[in-house]
Amino acid sequence: GIQVEQSPPDLILQEGANSTLRCNFSDSVNNLQWFHQNPWGQLINLFYIPSGTKQNGRLSATTVATERYSLLYISSSQTTDSGVYFCAVAPNTGTASKLTFGTGTRLQVTL
Amino acid sequence: NAGVMQNPRHLVRRRGQEARLRCSPMKGHSHVYWYRQLPEEGLKFMVYLQKENIIDESGMPKERFSAEFPKEGPSILRIQQVVRGDSAAYFCASRNYYEQYFGPGTRLTVT
Repeated sequence: GIQVEQSPPDLILQEGANSTLRCNFSDSVNNLQWFHQNPWGQLINLFYIPSGTKQNGRLSATTVATERYSLLYISSSQTTDSGVYFCAVAPNTGTASKLTFGTGTRLQVTL
Repeated sequence: NAGVMQNPRHLVRRRGQEARLRCSPMKGHSHVYWYRQLPEEGLKFMVYLQKENIIDESGMPKERFSAEFPKEGPSILRIQQVVRGDSAAYFCASRNYYEQYFGPGTRLTVT
């Protein structure tokens, strides 16, 4: 099956710093989503981005489908950004399919 | 527009009992997925259903686990004769096109 690798596994930032999270995947995809799992365990949709670039406030994401990677940028980080960030993909089989999740990047933002 | 709803949010069962987890997809969504998250791990796909049909159950344990999505009512994930290793967070997701939207999860604790 498709493989998903995320880096770094852990990240500690001071409030106000910027960061880049990376997701590599092993096959072509028709779905790539970024999620934030907050400390209460809820999964929050950040981006649906199988290709291209999107921005939402302090967050932006870029997927280069031909090179099989995606980047999530967090600017001016805040303590509420803490949690685990997951990348999840579905292979391009012609039909929408199950998501395979990476192991996540655990982010801690300190004052 | 209500999101994906799951209940109960927390469920405690003794070993050997049955657990029933419910998921109501977003309005207009006819595709439902169940995922399991073990402590400190990413989410793993279990089963994909459309109304009255199981499309992909490749992630379901062969015994004790079953799922349904009837014509009327929520999708149900049923775990018979629970064991301690079933303790996990169970997430349901629904979609209309490609993007999947997740519910808040049910945290199952087996004592």
